[in-house]
Amino acid sequence: QAQLVQSGAEVKKPGASVKVSCKASGYSFSSYGITWVRQAPGQGLEWMGWISGYNGNTNSAQKLQGRVTMTTDTTTTTVYMALRSLRSDDTAVYYCARWAVDRDALDIWGQGTMVTVSS
Amino acid sequence: SYELTQPPSVSVSPGQTATITCSGSKLGDKYACWYQQRPGQSPVLVIYHDTERPSGIPDRFSGSNSGNTATLTISGTQAMDEADYYCQAWDSRAGVFGGGTKLTVL
Repeated sequence: QAQLVQSGAEVKKPGASVKVSCKASGYSFSSYGITWVRQAPGQGLEWMGWISGYNGNTNSAQKLQGRVTMTTDTTTTTVYMALRSLRSDDTAVYYCARWAVDRDALDIWGQGTMVTVSS
Repeated sequence: SYELTQPPSVSVSPGQTATITCSGSKLGDKYACWYQQRPGQSPVLVIYHDTERPSGIPDRFSGSNSGNTATLTISGTQAMDEADYYCQAWDSRAGVFGGGTKLTVL
């Protein structure tokens, strides 16, 4: 069955960068996009951006533009999200989710990756 | 930027009907979807395209969307439905989430 498996928890210092991976399996990778969503402790969901599994086109949230980079490796069906110049308010659980265009919705979610930014 | 507004909390008695709203400018002109998130778990899609249920989602979950408001309705609410619920729509190729509603089953 389709699933997304993310990399493990990270602890970073302010100003550093983090790269989270999301391994897709059980479906045609090029037929779907991947969206990144984050959730700060005790807060709601925040849409970060998406990347096409077909051609690698991306679109990111305006507030994160310049700090976030999303890439794909089609040979390993893995998507990566890199966030640089980390601040304490970047502390959150980061989720990848499959974007089903025919549903206009995120139908499969990864297990989440906790990123803690602390000095 | 586009915004979606949800009530912070809704309470319902077991077996009764829970209604969670999501408001946004001309939201009825867009597709709305809903996610359920239980504590410590990843979100799960429960409604897409305003009214459609993914396979495996009980038919007590239903949705509607008209004007400026999308609505998630849970009929015959069960204790297991206690969770946070988020609406989501797309605006100018960017995703937008509502702030979330905590559903308490008393």
